[in-house]
Amino acid sequence: DAGVIQSPRHEVTEMGQEVTLRCKPISGHNSLFWYRQTMMRGLELLIYFNNNVPIDDSGMPEDRFSAKMPNASFSTLKIQPSEPRDSAVYFCASSPNSGGHTQYFGPGTRLTVL
Amino acid sequence: AQSVTQPDIHITVSEGASLELRCNYSYGATPYLFWYVQSPGQGLQLLLKYFSGDTLVQGIKGFEAEFKRSQSSFNLRKPSVHWSDAAEYFCAVGAGTGANNLFFGTGTRLTVIP
Repeated sequence: DAGVIQSPRHEVTEMGQEVTLRCKPISGHNSLFWYRQTMMRGLELLIYFNNNVPIDDSGMPEDRFSAKMPNASFSTLKIQPSEPRDSAVYFCASSPNSGGHTQYFGPGTRLTVL
Repeated sequence: AQSVTQPDIHITVSEGASLELRCNYSYGATPYLFWYVQSPGQGLQLLLKYFSGDTLVQGIKGFEAEFKRSQSSFNLRKPSVHWSDAAEYFCAVGAGTGANNLFFGTGTRLTVIP
């Protein structure tokens, strides 16, 4: 099993640019989660999907952030326009519905906005 | 609403010493409980989980945790710490029914000294 795959692993961009983070969940998993981790705020849930449908996006900080899951094997998190305060590590995790909430995390994308 | 408290931000132990990391949760029903470990620059890896049954659960890397309903706790233990155990440890709680998102604590950073 390849695990959760995230790309890119590192992203450096300038303020105002669009950033797209990608995630491929574990095959067969029904739920997908996007998290943001910073020193100041710790691990924050941004949004999660179940069967490709967004269930809770209350953690999305503002309209600059959007997430999609066009199919069961792919999701994107987009920031447009990006700001320096968006600098963080963004994690994707997936979970099988039968797994009792056990989530499996990807390696993360370290985003730096200059 | 669910919440998790990890009262120790940072713990330092000597290699070979025993370890206990504290976790208290808030949830009205029987929760799903998890411990994850995060090594520097890595994603979160599941150490162990409790859903029901035996309140002492065994995990990977020699870790165990005990669910104590009366104390709303799920402390993580290891009898003899190895230098490679130095990492950040996160406790998490799931609702058990309905929404399958997790609520994470703020983490405890473990330093192991020779």
